[in-house]
Amino acid sequence: GNSVTQMEGPVTLSEEAFLTINCTYTATGYPSLFWYVQYPGEGLQLLLKATKADDKGSNKGFEATYRKETTSFHLEKGSVQVSDSAVYFCALSGGAQKLVFGQGTRLTINP
Amino acid sequence: DAGVIQSPRHEVTEMGQEVTLRCKPISGHDYLFWYRQTMMRGLELLIYFNNNVPIDDSGMPEDRFSAKMPNASFSTLKIQPSEPRDSAVYFCASSFRTDNSPLHFGNGTRLTVT
Repeated sequence: GNSVTQMEGPVTLSEEAFLTINCTYTATGYPSLFWYVQYPGEGLQLLLKATKADDKGSNKGFEATYRKETTSFHLEKGSVQVSDSAVYFCALSGGAQKLVFGQGTRLTINP
Repeated sequence: DAGVIQSPRHEVTEMGQEVTLRCKPISGHDYLFWYRQTMMRGLELLIYFNNNVPIDDSGMPEDRFSAKMPNASFSTLKIQPSEPRDSAVYFCASSFRTDNSPLHFGNGTRLTVT
């Protein structure tokens, strides 16, 4: 079945550091891939998405490239800010609108 | 657009009591989802609806859980009787029809069963 594996957290970085959160997936067919972010006390919200191989999703300085050959969708940001502290979820579309989520990676950015 | 609205934000109840969680999806969205989030199990899909009809309830943990969607603008998740292990944050989300449409989540209901 479809599954998503994320890099285990928590991840703690200093402000302006480079961020990578790894995500790999197992899926049949050609799923769409997503990153969602959850700020404290809130629901998840879409950060970016990619719908086919080699697509790059980007938003708010974050980027992720859909790599079919390595079944990966790693999240990157060149210079993180304190406001980026949140929990990040990688997900894939399992068909019929069912998203399969990874376990989430908690990110803390220190000033 | 007010987003997905859930109520209550917090619910504290005693074991054995009935609990009802409520959700108002974004107007025009065809799909509605109920998720449960815990530290141990992460984010779990409980059930989802398409055009008010339950499509997949395989994630509902037990018969104690039930969900309804009487119309396009309202859904409930009921737990009867509640147990301490039901303590979690319950999220409602809605989306448009297509597979690539993002889910829009509410801010969740934090349930504590003592």
